[in-house]
Amino acid sequence: EVQLVQSGAEVKKPGESLKISCKGSGYSFTSYWIDWVRQMPGKGLEWMGSIYPGDSDTKYSPSFQGQVTISADKSITTAYLQWSSLKASDTAMYYCARQGVTGWYDDYWGQGTLVTVSS
Amino acid sequence: DIQMTQSPSSLSASVGDRVTITCRASRSIGTYLNWYQQRPGEAPKLLIYAASSLQSGVPSRFSGSGSGTDFTLTISSLQPEDFATYYCQQSYSALWTFGQGTKVETK
Repeated sequence: EVQLVQSGAEVKKPGESLKISCKGSGYSFTSYWIDWVRQMPGKGLEWMGSIYPGDSDTKYSPSFQGQVTISADKSITTAYLQWSSLKASDTAMYYCARQGVTGWYDDYWGQGTLVTVSS
Repeated sequence: DIQMTQSPSSLSASVGDRVTITCRASRSIGTYLNWYQQRPGEAPKLLIYAASSLQSGVPSRFSGSGSGTDFTLTISSLQPEDFATYYCQQSYSALWTFGQGTKVETK
């Protein structure tokens, strides 16, 4: 069974760093792209970027380029999303999702990680 | 970026109604168009991929159509569990984008 299990909710202060995770299981982790998607409170879905764990090829939405870093550790089948200096506007639910075999859609999603940034 | 615009932003409907949601791309995306359903407090769920292909396990009352710039998601007979927000997504370009969402509410 394909599963993406994300790390738990985080409460951070502005300026702090953070790395959240997404562990894949039940499939060949290195053969499928992983997407990260943001959902701010009461708002819609925003595609942030993708990583191919097989070779760590990465793509970023222009809106998130330079603001976050996407990485993966294929030895432990885990993808990551990290911030070096959080802002209050980073408060959101973050989802990871696996792209399907053709790479045209997200067929499996993690449960989401809620990040709250507040002083 | 390719911009995706959904209409309406919200709609009110009753169980049994036929519901249609449209999605327009800022330029042609062929059939690289997906639809997702998100219920409150849940992760999104893939309904339709490649404009008209039904994801495994999704009820047949959901259907998609369109190509180029104009796409439609239709729910043939709305069920109680279908009250949710629906998003289109383009995967034509290397940088994917979502529509702003359409909330289906009870009338």
